[in-house]
Amino acid sequence: ETGVTQSPTHLIKTRGQQVTLRCSSQSGHNTVSWYQQALGQGPQFIFQYYREEENGRGNFPPRFSGLQFPNYSSELNVNALELDDSALYLCVSRVTVNTEAFFGQGTRLTVV
Amino acid sequence: GEDVEQSLFLSVREGDSSVINCTYTDSSSTYLYWYKQEPGAGLQLLTYIFSNMDMKQDQRLTVLLNKKDKHLSLRIADTQTGDSAIYFCAERDTSGTYKYIFGTGTRLKVLA
Repeated sequence: ETGVTQSPTHLIKTRGQQVTLRCSSQSGHNTVSWYQQALGQGPQFIFQYYREEENGRGNFPPRFSGLQFPNYSSELNVNALELDDSALYLCVSRVTVNTEAFFGQGTRLTVV
Repeated sequence: GEDVEQSLFLSVREGDSSVINCTYTDSSSTYLYWYKQEPGAGLQLLTYIFSNMDMKQDQRLTVLLNKKDKHLSLRIADTQTGDSAIYFCAERDTSGTYKYIFGTGTRLKVLA
């Protein structure tokens, strides 16, 4: 039990649609990162938020966006879904950037 | 560039030792990690090693670090069928985000 909860656990979307994935972190965890894990691959860093501001981004297009809220919850939004967006999306929370990381169980997104 | 490499597959007999290898890229990485992922699940932190250590032992797990060659290994003693999973090596980036850079994972199959 990591104290990081992601919802939903699974969902199916159609190409071109938009999706919002949610993450609830432990109180006091000011840093949240999102990773995409495609089938057969390791997780890839999408972006990171610290105190509600983005402070780092991986090699993902702008249609991947996020929000972090004062109540330690966060969202990952993906617009104009493509088939290749099908993956497990992992939320990772930390008190601050260089402290222990806590992984959520992930949301498995399937785009058809 | 950022590239953590692992062999894709390893098969061992129950009771034998398993050794999973990894090479990483950032010689300034301070923390290196091993994660386990079972089918359909998120990532479980197994162990980590700080860069000023050569070896770390934790029950059945032994981590060896060769900083000169940027090589990390995970040895699992007395491997059990429950150890069958995908194992990911990860380094923690030393830039401002401290993001994790994962390998592609090694699928360990334990034969009874």
